[in-house]
Amino acid sequence: DIQMTQSPASLSASLEEIVTITCQASQDIGNWLAWYQQKPGKSPQLLIYGATSLADGVPSRFSGSRSGTQYSLKISRLQVEDPGIYYCLQGYSAPYTFGAGTKLELK
Amino acid sequence: QVQLKESGPGLVQPSQTLSLTCTVSGFSLTSNSVHWVRQPPGKGLEWMGGIWGDGSTDYNSALKSRLSISRDTSKSQVFLKMNSLQTDDTAIYFCTSDWFAYWGQGTLVTVSS
Repeated sequence: DIQMTQSPASLSASLEEIVTITCQASQDIGNWLAWYQQKPGKSPQLLIYGATSLADGVPSRFSGSRSGTQYSLKISRLQVEDPGIYYCLQGYSAPYTFGAGTKLELK
Repeated sequence: QVQLKESGPGLVQPSQTLSLTCTVSGFSLTSNSVHWVRQPPGKGLEWMGGIWGDGSTDYNSALKSRLSISRDTSKSQVFLKMNSLQTDDTAIYFCTSDWFAYWGQGTLVTVSS
């Protein structure tokens, strides 16, 4: 099974700050990587798919990048509505696996 | 627009079988896959399995012996059945489509006597 190691587990940042979350895949998954935001009591919302493509309706301050088997989600200027838990997902091969999540809070 | 909605019992007794239904609209089950993902309270997301447009299925090996996913295309419904439930199967169960782009609201299933 492909393991997705996500870091950090938690993060506190100030408004307008740049935030970066990473996921390391245990093997090559190409661009089969998605990022999600989940708020309490809600289902996950797709932010990024194909490692770098912005999902419809997602603000442009969110971006995704890839370097080999390391994937990053960047929030360029943290806004008040951005706190939540962020997950990565590899869709390269079953069993599809999620990262453990990053809890993002406002400082 | 694409919509998914899970339904099923909120409470299941230990050792019993869980049956959930995902009713979809806005797309065809013969053209898109539907997957089930669960989330224990306060924990992360776990892919359980899915059914593809051609009707074939994939399962998480950790659940494969207990899990079955099927569908009724005429009713736009996907079904999950999992037997031998235990307390650690307590979770919110989501169905999701189009390579995990669209998600239902989730349904909480509690396993307790």
